[in-house]
Amino acid sequence: QSALTQPASVSGSPGQSITISCTGTSSDVGSYILVSWFQQHPGKAPKLMIYEVDKRPSGVSNRFSAFKSGNTATLTISGLQAEDEADYYCCSYGGYSSVIFGGGTKLTVL
Amino acid sequence: QVTLRESGPALVKPTETLTLTCAFSGFSLSTSGLCVSWIRQPPGKALEWLALIDRDDDKYYTTSLKTRLTISKDTSKNQVVLTMTNMDPVDTATYFCARTVYVWGTSRPNYFDHWGQGALVTVSS
Repeated sequence: QSALTQPASVSGSPGQSITISCTGTSSDVGSYILVSWFQQHPGKAPKLMIYEVDKRPSGVSNRFSAFKSGNTATLTISGLQAEDEADYYCCSYGGYSSVIFGGGTKLTVL
Repeated sequence: QVTLRESGPALVKPTETLTLTCAFSGFSLSTSGLCVSWIRQPPGKALEWLALIDRDDDKYYTTSLKTRLTISKDTSKNQVVLTMTNMDPVDTATYFCARTVYVWGTSRPNYFDHWGQGALVTVSS
C-alpha cells in the first residue's frame, strides 16, 4: 500500500481559509468513511482533528471541517490563526485491518 | 484521563532487536472496540502505522514489516509491547503508541484518539 498523497506545503494569512487534499485509491479513501486528520506541532504527538471523514472530536474548533469525494478527502481550516501552523496528516483504513497515512502537509501561517 | 507512555532504549545497534513498551492508563484493553497501535515517524518524515493488538489478542501488522514485528499485550499490567528485529539505521524514528478505536463490531481500525509522547530510537553502531 502506498502512502496517501498530500501537498507538501500550503500557506495562508491569518483569517483566511486553506484546504489540504488527501488522495488515495478506490481501495482505501474511496472505499471507506474511515478517514481521519491529525495536527502535529514540532516535537509533539499528533492530535486527532477529524475522524470518519467529517466528525470533530470534542474540543476541536469548528474552524476545522472536512469532506470526501471519491478517492480524495479534503481538510479545510477557516479563520486561520497562528496556532494552526503545524504539520497535517490524513489517514485512512486500507483494508485487511491496515492503516495508511498521508505524506503530510506543512501549513505556514504568513 | 487516558494516557499512554512509550519506553525503551534510545540507541540500538544495527542487527539488534528493539523492544518498546507502551504503558497506558484510563482505559482497558479488555474493553470492546478498543485496541492499541504502534506508529513511527522518522525524523522529518511522515507517520507510518506499524501494528495493532486488540482485546481478543488479534494482531495486525503493516505488510512491509510483518516479518520483523511482534506485538503483544499484558492486559493486567495495561501494557503493550512491540519488538522489531534486525534493526537498521533506516528504522531510526520516533515510535508512538496510540489508543485505537475500532469500527463497532468489526476489527477495522477507525481512528487514533490518544497518543503517547513518543520515544526516539536511533539505530547506529
